Amino acid sequence: EAQVTQNPRYLITVTGKKLTVTCSQNMNHEYMSWYRQDPGLGLRQIYYSMNVEVTDKGDVPEGYKVSRKEKRNFPLILESPSPNQTSLYFCASSTTYSPYEQYFGPGTRLTVT
Amino acid sequence: GQSLEQPSEVTAVEGAIVQINCTYQTSGFYGLSWYQQHDGGAPTFLSYNALDGLEETGRFSSFLSRSDSYGYLLLQELQMKDSASYFCALFSGNTGKLIFGQGTTLQVKP
Repeated sequence: EAQVTQNPRYLITVTGKKLTVTCSQNMNHEYMSWYRQDPGLGLRQIYYSMNVEVTDKGDVPEGYKVSRKEKRNFPLILESPSPNQTSLYFCASSTTYSPYEQYFGPGTRLTVT
Repeated sequence: GQSLEQPSEVTAVEGAIVQINCTYQTSGFYGLSWYQQHDGGAPTFLSYNALDGLEETGRFSSFLSRSDSYGYLLLQELQMKDSASYFCALFSGNTGKLIFGQGTTLQVKP
């Protein structure tokens, strides 16, 4: 089954404790992206990657890191999480031919206390 | 910069037709996409307009007018399961970014 998977689905952590949210897709997509969703603010792009070893900042990259060492994986790293990073996070992927049609993972709900 | 505006909420009755508007400010974009998101779920792709005009996919249609910086999603024969949030999104070919509107919550009533 073609899908985007994220782990963990739920995470409660404390301020300053480094964490990684994994994202993997099995569709051989070149384009991958991370979004955060907050009430009233819609989906905001954090980082995206057009292909392996190529990453670019989205609209809200502060406090986040990403890497794209393999085509299928695009982990999101929070080196020192803060409470304002409490949010619902989505990973998504698409082909470079149809980047407007993104396939989303199930989401990761992160709470930072 | 780039921005999109949508109404925050729309209510309609089962069987009716509803239109969700999206106005935007941008330059150098490829087209306008629409996504649906049910409560607690992931966004799912509905449609895309690369060119001006109407695109139809079953009960859903989407329209784009680049000259007016405006688009809409039209949902016909509304069903209760259409109750969800709907997002318009711009893909900027210049930057590779996908920019989403804040979303419109559609409530379908019996």
